[in-house]
Amino acid sequence: EVQLVESGGGLLQPGRSLRLSCTASGFTFGDYSMSWFRQAPGKGLEWVGFIRTKAFGGTTEYAASLRGRFTISRDDSKSIAYLQLNSLETEDTAVYFCSRLRWGSGGFPDFWGQGTLLTVSS
Amino acid sequence: DIQMTQSPSSLSASVGDRVTITCRASQDIGNYLAWFQQKPGKAPKSLLFGASSLQSGVPSKFSGSGSGTDFTLTISSLQPDDFATYYCQQYNTYPFTFGQGTRLEIK
Repeated sequence: EVQLVESGGGLLQPGRSLRLSCTASGFTFGDYSMSWFRQAPGKGLEWVGFIRTKAFGGTTEYAASLRGRFTISRDDSKSIAYLQLNSLETEDTAVYFCSRLRWGSGGFPDFWGQGTLLTVSS
Repeated sequence: DIQMTQSPSSLSASVGDRVTITCRASQDIGNYLAWFQQKPGKAPKSLLFGASSLQSGVPSKFSGSGSGTDFTLTISSLQPDDFATYYCQQYNTYPFTFGQGTRLEIK
């Protein structure tokens, strides 16, 4: 059974940094791209970015507004995808979801984690 | 960025009804469209990809159609478990973008 479990959320002050983790099980992690999405309270879904598999260079794509502050990485030996968030802003308050993408090169989400809540507030 | 516009934004229907939600892209996305269901406080659930292909385990009461810029999600024989918010997402062009969501409520 495919499972994705996000962790690392919490309450942080503006300007701080945080790393979220997405621990995967039930499939060969290295064969799939992994993506992050977020959802601000009461709002819709927003794509953050994704990381391709090593076979496709392990390269990343990001939402333009987040590029430079957010970085996605992966550790295939641990089956974990990471989202590094720097210079946090109050607007980053959201539930952060990770998902598995169908292809090594990207594509559509087929499985989602339950999400982890990040609150940015002074 | 490609804008995805869903209509209606909210919809009231009764158990047993058949409903259709529309998603329009601001430019041609081929069939690179996915649909998701989300219930309050829960993660999204993937329903369809490629505009019309069901994800594994998703019942055939959900169906999708369209290509280019105009797409539809149809849900037949509504059951209480189907009342949720539905999103479309294009994955043809970065950044991947979502529609604003359609809230399906019980009448």
